[in-house]
Amino acid sequence: QSVLTQPPSVSGAPGQRVTISCTGSSSNIGAGSDVHWYQQLPGTAPKFLIYNNVKRPSGVPDRFSGSKSGTSGSLVITGIRDEDEAHYHCQSYDSTLSAWVFGGGTKLTVL
Amino acid sequence: QVQLVESGGGVVQPGTSLRLSCAASGFSFSAYGMHWVRQAPDKGLEWVANIWNDGSKKYYVDSVKGRFIISRDNSDNMVYLEMNNLRVDDTAVYYCARRGSYYMDVWGKGTPVLVS
Repeated sequence: QSVLTQPPSVSGAPGQRVTISCTGSSSNIGAGSDVHWYQQLPGTAPKFLIYNNVKRPSGVPDRFSGSKSGTSGSLVITGIRDEDEAHYHCQSYDSTLSAWVFGGGTKLTVL
Repeated sequence: QVQLVESGGGVVQPGTSLRLSCAASGFSFSAYGMHWVRQAPDKGLEWVANIWNDGSKKYYVDSVKGRFIISRDNSDNMVYLEMNNLRVDDTAVYYCARRGSYYMDVWGKGTPVLVS
């Protein structure tokens, strides 16, 4: 049971917009901790995708964007492509647990 | 380029020990905290341990406290995870990751550990 809650799967046709949610609590996201996102392509290690809720590391396409509101964060992918098919993981910091915490991951299927 | 390379994984029996290593290159290692993160088969990511850049502070997820020890050698650009009294539910791919504030900005390819 992950501390952060993500939907197990989402899907969309190429070119569509998809949103992946990440719900936490008053001890992590709601306490002011930032939300970060990682992309994990099949059979590979996680890749740093979004940090501090909305920022993109160098080299990440601008079709990936993030937001945060209350106890939740969101990852939005606009104009999805076949190569975006992957698992997406959210992460934050929990001040009660004194631990870095993850969501269970969301599998994006491009139809 | 910035790189992390894990090694030391393998197949071990419950109750035994294993030491994982992570070799860092391409950045000023002693300036960064480091993490170990694991992923059980077909599961999500789980943070395991963190060590400050100078090794002065260490943090662990509750499930490994008292069994795992994180350490580092800044002269060799290495970080280690000593895993003792291994359990079947420690089976996972173990990733080394660089700490960037409260996120993990560089990841290794991982090393698999099977406890059976």
